[in-house]
Amino acid sequence: AQTVTQSQPEMSVQEAETVTLSCTYDTSENNYYLFWYKQPPSRQMILVIRQEAYKQQNATENRFSVNFQKAAKSFSLKISDSQLGDTAMYFCAEGGGSQGNLIFGKGTKLSVKP
Amino acid sequence: NAGVMQNPRHLVRRRGQEARLRCSPMKGHSHVYWYRQLPEEGLKFMVYLQKENIIDESGMPKERFSAEFPKEGPSILRIQQVVRGDSAAYFCASSPGSGAEAFFGQGTRLTVV
Repeated sequence: AQTVTQSQPEMSVQEAETVTLSCTYDTSENNYYLFWYKQPPSRQMILVIRQEAYKQQNATENRFSVNFQKAAKSFSLKISDSQLGDTAMYFCAEGGGSQGNLIFGKGTKLSVKP
Repeated sequence: NAGVMQNPRHLVRRRGQEARLRCSPMKGHSHVYWYRQLPEEGLKFMVYLQKENIIDESGMPKERFSAEFPKEGPSILRIQQVVRGDSAAYFCASSPGSGAEAFFGQGTRLTVV
C-alpha cells in the first residue's frame, strides 16, 4: 500500500531563517511524482513544488527546494528566508502514477515567528 | 481561465438529510478527484472520475456515498442520510491527465448537526 509519513506534527522557525520539513513515502509504482502542498487558514491547497521520481535533480522554486533521496524514499522540503506568509499546514503527497490520485501525509503545521 | 470551482463553500445538513457537493473542473481538464479532510488530518482520496466514468472509487465508503461526472455539467459528490461523522472538508481537484499538476478547489465544509 502507498503511504506517506510526515513525522513532524508542528514546527516553528524565526523569520528569515531556514527550515526543513521531513517526508518519507512508500510506493510500488515505478513512475510517480512527489508534491508539497501548502494549506493556509483559508483552506486553499496550493502547490509549492513538484518532483518527478525519474529525475535525479532536486526541484527548486524560488525559496523552496527539495532533497529527494529516491533509494531512501525521502522527500524533504527546505524553506529558505522564511516569511510570515509561509505560516501554514504543509502536506507531502505522492501519486500521479497509473491512476493519478494523490496520497497525502498528515501534515506539518509550520509557524513563522517575527 | 477560472480555477476549480466548488460550491457551496459551506453546507449545513441535519442528520438524515442528503448533501450534494458540486465541482466544476478547470477548462480543458477531464480528470476529477474528490478528497475528504477530517479535522487535523491530511486529505484522503475518495474517488477518481473522468467524463461519464468512475475510474477508481477505492476510497469511497461503501454505503451512502456516490459520485458522478456527467458529460455536461459539474461533478457531483452525493452523501445520502448524512451522519455527524460525515462532517469534514471535501476537496475536488482536476487535472488534464495522470501525472500532471492537480489543481484544487477551495473545498466545501460540510457540517452535520
